[in-house]
Amino acid sequence: GQSLEQPSEVTAVEGAIVQINCTYQTSGFYGLSWYQQHDGGAPTFLSYNALDGLEETGRFSSFLSRSDSYGYLLLQELQMKDSASYFCAVRSPNTGFQKLVFGTGTRLLVSP
Amino acid sequence: DVKVTQSSRYLVKRTGEKVFLECVQDMDHENMFWYRQDPGLGLRLIYFSYDVKMKEKGDIPEGYSVSREKKERFSLILESASTNQTSMYLCASSSVQGAVLDTQYFGPGTRLTVL
Repeated sequence: GQSLEQPSEVTAVEGAIVQINCTYQTSGFYGLSWYQQHDGGAPTFLSYNALDGLEETGRFSSFLSRSDSYGYLLLQELQMKDSASYFCAVRSPNTGFQKLVFGTGTRLLVSP
Repeated sequence: DVKVTQSSRYLVKRTGEKVFLECVQDMDHENMFWYRQDPGLGLRLIYFSYDVKMKEKGDIPEGYSVSREKKERFSLILESASTNQTSMYLCASSSVQGAVLDTQYFGPGTRLTVL
């Protein structure tokens, strides 16, 4: 099967940098993606990594190490509006080519 | 912009009722998904459809069925609702092309309460 682990909650202050880790166990691997979900809202796609390294999109970056089965989402210059839940998701031959398996989510609380 | 809509934001049903949740996407996506989301459990896949009239069971299909008669519409059916099906139900769609498979577009969700 496949499993993903991420911390349940992370707290930080405005302007800080926070890293949300995700470790996964799968047989085979296509890619790791990240989604953001505000309370009461729908999950929205943030980023995707298929190869090792860092992908940057504005204040958000995502990193992948396939040899370590590990990735993280890095949020810089935190803003109050970044308070949300963040889910990592993996696509692998185990999940089926077109399906994602999601982690249980990390709730990020940003305080003033 | 991709738009995924769901028929209701909130729904209250009684135990034993048949419940229909409707999802419509406007981007001509081949893939459509139904998830349920519960606190501490993340998003769990109920059913997946990769084409009209085609479906696959997800991780938790028991007590649910689905219907996809048209490409843009994917329905989730609770044949006989039970209290343990009280949850948030999320519909999503994606295109089959390459890395875009990792980008799923979600609807706003239906919060179903079964009394």
